[in-house]
Amino acid sequence: EVQLVESGGGLVQPGRSMKLSCAASGFTFSNYGMAWVRQAPTKGLEWVATISYDGSSTYYRDSVKGRFTISRDNAKSTLYLQMNSLRSEDTATYYCTREKGYFDYWGQGVMVTVSS
Amino acid sequence: DIQMTQSPPSLSASLGDKVTITCQASQNINKYIAWYQQKPGKAPRQLIRYTSTLVSGTPSRFSGSGSGRDYSFSISNVESEDIASYYCLQYDNLHTFGAGTKLELK
Repeated sequence: EVQLVESGGGLVQPGRSMKLSCAASGFTFSNYGMAWVRQAPTKGLEWVATISYDGSSTYYRDSVKGRFTISRDNAKSTLYLQMNSLRSEDTATYYCTREKGYFDYWGQGVMVTVSS
Repeated sequence: DIQMTQSPPSLSASLGDKVTITCQASQNINKYIAWYQQKPGKAPRQLIRYTSTLVSGTPSRFSGSGSGRDYSFSISNVESEDIASYYCLQYDNLHTFGAGTKLELK
């Protein structure tokens, strides 16, 4: 059974940093691209970043370029999202997803609140 | 960047109705569209990939169609468990979600 479990969320002040993790199991992690998708409270889904199966390619939405870094450790079957210079508009539930072009499996999500 | 215009934003239906949601892309997306269902407090669940291919476990009352820039998603014989929000996703060039459609019971 595919499982994706996010961790690392919480309350953070504007301008500070936070790192999210996603522990994957139930599939061969190193064979798949992975992505982060977020959802602000009462809003729709928004793609954030994608990383290729081997970590050699990364892609970001414009609003997070230069602030967020997606990475992975295939030996640990873990996906990461390093978020720097956080803004109030980054407040959202962040979902870890397996990427096959589309997103087929999703974690339960982790809440990030950016507020002073 | 590809934009996805999803409509309507909300939909009211009676049990047994057929409902249709549309997504229009800002350019040809070559049928690379998926559809998701999301219930409050839950992660999205994929229903359809590549325009019309039902994901394993998706009931046959769900369907998708389209080509080029224009796509649609339908639920025939709406059931109470279908009350949720629905999103389209283009994955032809990076990823863009539609704004979502909230399906409610009339």
